[in-house]
Parts: sequence; C-alpha cells; structure tokens
Amino acid sequence: TQLLEQSPQFLSIQEGENLTVYCNSSSVFSSLQWYRQEPGEGPVLLVTVVTGGEVKKLKRLTFQFGDARKDSSLHITAAQPGDTGLYLCAGDNTNAGKSTFGDGTTLTVKP
Amino acid sequence: GAGVSQSPRYKVAKRGQDVALRCDPISGHVSLFWYQQALGQGPEFLTYFQNEAQLDKSGLPSDRFFAERPEGSVSTLKIQRTQQEDSAVYLCASTSKGTKRVLEQFFGPGTRLTVL
Repeated sequence: TQLLEQSPQFLSIQEGENLTVYCNSSSVFSSLQWYRQEPGEGPVLLVTVVTGGEVKKLKRLTFQFGDARKDSSLHITAAQPGDTGLYLCAGDNTNAGKSTFGDGTTLTVKP
Repeated sequence: GAGVSQSPRYKVAKRGQDVALRCDPISGHVSLFWYQQALGQGPEFLTYFQNEAQLDKSGLPSDRFFAERPEGSVSTLKIQRTQQEDSAVYLCASTSKGTKRVLEQFFGPGTRLTVL
C-alpha cells in the first residue's frame, strides 16, 4: 500500500501570513495532484505535477514536486480567508494501478 | 456545463436498512470512480468503472457494498444492511479518459450517509 502523509494536519493562521503544507511518501509516484475541498463539496483539482523538481505557480499558490517524486509541498503567500479549506494531495502510479489520497491539511485563515 | 451530480445529498438510515446512492457523471465521461471519505480523512477508493465495465472493486469494504453502471453513464452504489461504520461521505468522480488514474478527475458534492 502506498501511503501519503500530509502535515500539518491542522493549520490556523491570520490573513496575510505565508504557509507551507507538505505531502510525503516513501513511494515514487508518476504524478501527484493537489486538491482543495470545502465543507459539503467534493475535492476540486488545483494542479498536477509530473516531473521531479517541477515547480508550478497558480496565483499565490506555489507547488513543488520533489526531485525523487516522493514528496510535494504547497506554499501559499499572503493567505486570505477564501483559502480556507481541506488541502488534499493524491499520488498516482500507473504501475500500481491505483491512486492514493492523503488525509489532508485543514487550513483556516482568520480575517 | 453540468458537473458531476449526486443524490441524495444527505441520507439518514437506520442500522440494517438498505440504501442506494446515485451518481450522474459529466456527459460523455468514460471513467467513473466511487470513494468513501470518513470524517477528517482523505477519500478512499472503493471501485472504478470504464464505461459499463467494473474494472476494479478492490476497495469495497464488504460484500454488503455493490456498485453498478449498466449503461455506462449513471452509476448507483448500493449498501445493504447498513452498519454504523458505513457512516461517511460517498464521493463520485468522473474523467473523460479511459484510465484509472486520478488525473483530471471531477468530483461530485458527495452524499453524506448517517447510519443510526
């Protein structure tokens, strides 16, 4: 079983602060996705990273895939209350034939 | 365009009752996935369809769980003789590609099942 560990589990910060959340595994993934899920809704895809060392930016969000494709990070600059939600990473491995979600980081941004 | 829809959004069942959860994927999407999400956890894979064929049901927790997609579009997840541990949000996702990979999956809002 391929496990993805996300940290921290909970994070509460003030508006305007920066933050980084992590997604780690001992397994290599073909690609990794980050989703955001709001209460009562399904996860919404934010980004897919494929190449080791890849960095993708989406406005104030910066995603990085580790060189060995075992881990990833999400950095948010100047967080806003609208960033509040559950951030999930999901690892995809074509060889394993099954994708795995982490348990997520619950982010709360206070105004 | 319409996204993935699920019904009902909320379901309360007494222990021992049977329930049926419906998923309407995005029109034309080939692959359909069911996930179970317990409170405070990430989604866990239950089963996967490519068109009408159920290609992987390895995540179904017991033989009380049954899923079908007879015409390759709408899917139903049925849980027989519900137990309290079945209480969770059941998510459906679809993708236009005929693949089991997570890439580009579009999720519905989920059905929250509470078993009393």
